[in-house]
Amino acid sequence: SQKIEQNSEALNIQEGKTATLTCNYTNYSPAYLQWYRQDPGRGPVFLLLIRENEKEKRKERLKVTFDTTLKQSLFHITASQPADSATYLCALDVFSGGGADGLTFGKGTHLIIQP
Amino acid sequence: NAGVTQTPKFRVLKTGQSMTLLCAQDMNHEYMYWYRQDPGMGLRLIHYSVGEGTTAKGEVPDGYNVSRLKKQNFLLGLESAAPSQTSVYFCASSYLLAGSGEQFFGPGTRLTVL
Repeated sequence: SQKIEQNSEALNIQEGKTATLTCNYTNYSPAYLQWYRQDPGRGPVFLLLIRENEKEKRKERLKVTFDTTLKQSLFHITASQPADSATYLCALDVFSGGGADGLTFGKGTHLIIQP
Repeated sequence: NAGVTQTPKFRVLKTGQSMTLLCAQDMNHEYMYWYRQDPGMGLRLIHYSVGEGTTAKGEVPDGYNVSRLKKQNFLLGLESAAPSQTSVYFCASSYLLAGSGEQFFGPGTRLTVL
């Protein structure tokens, strides 16, 4: 069956270090992969999108990699801050091979940046 | 711009009752979606719409109906609520096809069915 896996346990990182979150998927061939941030009691907020033919994407302190051979995306936050503490969701467009369907989301990784 | 708004924010229903959740967006987006989020399950797509007057089933459509009579509004209906429908419901919209563009999410509706 199709599956998206993210670290299920909370990730604790010391302020100033780089946080790295993992998204693995099986039985998919997504054209796009997206990362969202979700704070408690709020809706997800879009962070980055990377296409299947892109290896890496950057936005300020954020970096995403996409390895379609390993079926894995890594999400990095450099110089992490306590304000970066949130749940981060990985999402793929997989319902019908990239059509106008919704996204399939991983369960998310809860990131805690400790001062 | 208000972005994506959802009404109501909270609701408690008894089993068998019906209700409609309203989603509105002011960004002129073609595509709109309804998701539910449950602990340990992540976000799951219920129904979606690729334009005014169109709707389609997502991953978990049973027990729900939707309508998109106006481009800016997407309604989610529960005809006979069940405890299994206790969840947080999120509406989202996008300008581009689902995967190729970011989705803008509303603040969510927390629904409890007793």
